[in-house]
Amino acid sequence: DIQMTQSPSSLSASVGDRVTVTCRASQTIGNYLNWYQQKPGKAPTLLIYATSYLQSGVPSRFSGSGYGTEFTLTISSLQPEDFATYYCQQSYSTLRTTFGGGTRVGVK
Amino acid sequence: QVQLVQSGAEVKKPGASVKLSCKASGYTFTSYAMHWLRQAPGQSLEWMGWINPGNGDTKYSQSFQGRVTITSDTSASTAYMELNSLRSEDAAVYYCAKDEGVLPYYYNYMAVWGKGTTVTVSS
Repeated sequence: DIQMTQSPSSLSASVGDRVTVTCRASQTIGNYLNWYQQKPGKAPTLLIYATSYLQSGVPSRFSGSGYGTEFTLTISSLQPEDFATYYCQQSYSTLRTTFGGGTRVGVK
Repeated sequence: QVQLVQSGAEVKKPGASVKLSCKASGYTFTSYAMHWLRQAPGQSLEWMGWINPGNGDTKYSQSFQGRVTITSDTSASTAYMELNSLRSEDAAVYYCAKDEGVLPYYYNYMAVWGKGTTVTVSS
């Protein structure tokens, strides 16, 4: 299995801050990396697919980058509705897709 | 609009089986793979498997091989996930989610999710 490691596991930030979350894959996955946002008690929502493509309806303050084994999710100016947990997911393996452990973005 | 409606919460004893449903609407059910995933309390997401509703092909995570069966009823646009031999570690919220690729291609990422079904395993 391809292991996905996110860092940090949690962070505290203020509205307006620039926030960066990192995701590392245990082997190269090309650009087969996706990001989800999840709020408590809700299903995940797709933010970014294929490393850098914004899902329809997602605000442009979200962006993704990277290739191979290192990827980042950036929120350029954190908004109140962005306090949530973020998960990366590799979709490279046809045997089994796997998710990172999550990064909780909380209020500073 | 595209929607997945999942069945209600379940309480099961250890060793029992549970069968969950996921009714799709707003798109051609047989044109997209359906995934099942789960999330234990405070944990990350775990992929369980998917089904091609068009031909019934399935793929399962090795973690659940032999215990999980995913099926579909095209006449009802509904996918099912059955998990056998339940243990306490199976207590989780179970999600169905629609793949974004048009079959026979699948992308392994999901933009449409059901709201989830809570499964409690307790003696």
